[in-house]
Amino acid sequence: NAGVTQTPKFQVLKTGQSMTLQCAQDMNHNSMYWYRQDPGMGLRLIYYSASEGTTDKGEVPNGYNVSRLNKREFSLRLESAAPSQTSVYFCASSELLHQMGTEAFFGQGTRLTVV
Amino acid sequence: GNSVTQMEGPVTLSEEAFLTINCTYTATGYPSLFWYVQYPGEGLQLLLKATKADDKGSNKGFEATYRKETTSFHLEKGSVQVSDSAVYFCALIPGDSSYKLIFGSGTRLLVRP
Repeated sequence: NAGVTQTPKFQVLKTGQSMTLQCAQDMNHNSMYWYRQDPGMGLRLIYYSASEGTTDKGEVPNGYNVSRLNKREFSLRLESAAPSQTSVYFCASSELLHQMGTEAFFGQGTRLTVV
Repeated sequence: GNSVTQMEGPVTLSEEAFLTINCTYTATGYPSLFWYVQYPGEGLQLLLKATKADDKGSNKGFEATYRKETTSFHLEKGSVQVSDSAVYFCALIPGDSSYKLIFGSGTRLLVRP
């Protein structure tokens, strides 16, 4: 059971470089999310996609873009990486966006370091 | 606004000790409440949830009761094991039809043999 799969697991970038984090889910979920996890701050929502073809900003969207390629895939792009974007990034999915008590399923995370 | 406050860690316990991790919240409407667990090197997994006041969520020996009067959702386990060592996140979905899953800062639990 794959669930939510993220690639890569680790990445080191130089300031100013760009990269795309990939995420795919095989649970036929409608909604997908990108979070970042920083020490002492829990997880913060970067962008989300309520359904295929839609994307919206979350709490900390600056410096990022996203693409909902199809129902399965949701990618996160850093156009010009900055040291402040050093973090662990998690992709998640859930069946429905606005349903009370909906469980979110998380990938294993991507540890990104920007030097 | 909506927020979740957890006790700071790390929490270090001996095996078979009683565990409490405190969680309080502020939220609009009647939120749903969750505990997620993150084992080393892994993503978050749902541990338990409660969707209305006085509900008790339970799983793997862990329990938490939705207390509206004290806006709390404390996590408890009667006898912890070494395998319970992980980071525990309290979270909520606000009751205003918001899409947001709002997390606390996490509490690291270390259980020693």
